[in-house]
Amino acid sequence: SAVISQKPSRDICQRGTSLTIQCQVDSQVTMMFWYRQQPGQSLTLIATANQGSEATYESGFVIDKFPISRPNLTFSTLTVSNMSPEDSSIYLCSVESGGAEQYFGPGTRLTVT
Amino acid sequence: DAKTTQPPSMDCAEGRAANLPCNHSTISGNEYVYWYRQIHSQGPQYIIHGLKNNETNEMASLIITEDRKSSTLILPHATLRDTAVYYCIASPSPGGGADGLTFGKGTHLIIQP
Repeated sequence: SAVISQKPSRDICQRGTSLTIQCQVDSQVTMMFWYRQQPGQSLTLIATANQGSEATYESGFVIDKFPISRPNLTFSTLTVSNMSPEDSSIYLCSVESGGAEQYFGPGTRLTVT
Repeated sequence: DAKTTQPPSMDCAEGRAANLPCNHSTISGNEYVYWYRQIHSQGPQYIIHGLKNNETNEMASLIITEDRKSSTLILPHATLRDTAVYYCIASPSPGGGADGLTFGKGTHLIIQP
């Protein structure tokens, strides 16, 4: 299993600013994923982050808006840039630890005013 | 990944078995059926997965039809803590592999006291 923590747990930000979300895992993992969950909706995959390579983004998500870092096998950050109210969501990271399941962090609840 | 279809909501009495159906009629031969749940304000939690055979673990049982076009997740003795959104996902790779997981709308299961 893997235990994942995220910082911050929640934040309220003004439009036009940026927020960096941190994801820390208690063990080394190859694959890390970032998801977005808009209010009342299901989860949507933003990107896949592998250590030592550029993140792979899903359709509709771009690096300029959601830059991702993956400096080592236990840590990743997602930045939400130039925020607008439409970016208000829960952002979750997850890891695939070589077994059958993904483990998810508790999420970061972002409100943009 | 194959598309899955689930009822948007279900009720179940506490102590009874909760049977959650999922249709995945376009599933391909190499795709597993995964079930996750998301309790309010938490990240999704893995429940169980299977390919062809029925599976059981400490949380639930998974019944997959012989043609693999549908499945049922069974929570044998539902408790109030089982109230959550349950997601049925078809994925070719254990844990989502390099592609992450594609979440549908899920079933909101409400356990009634």
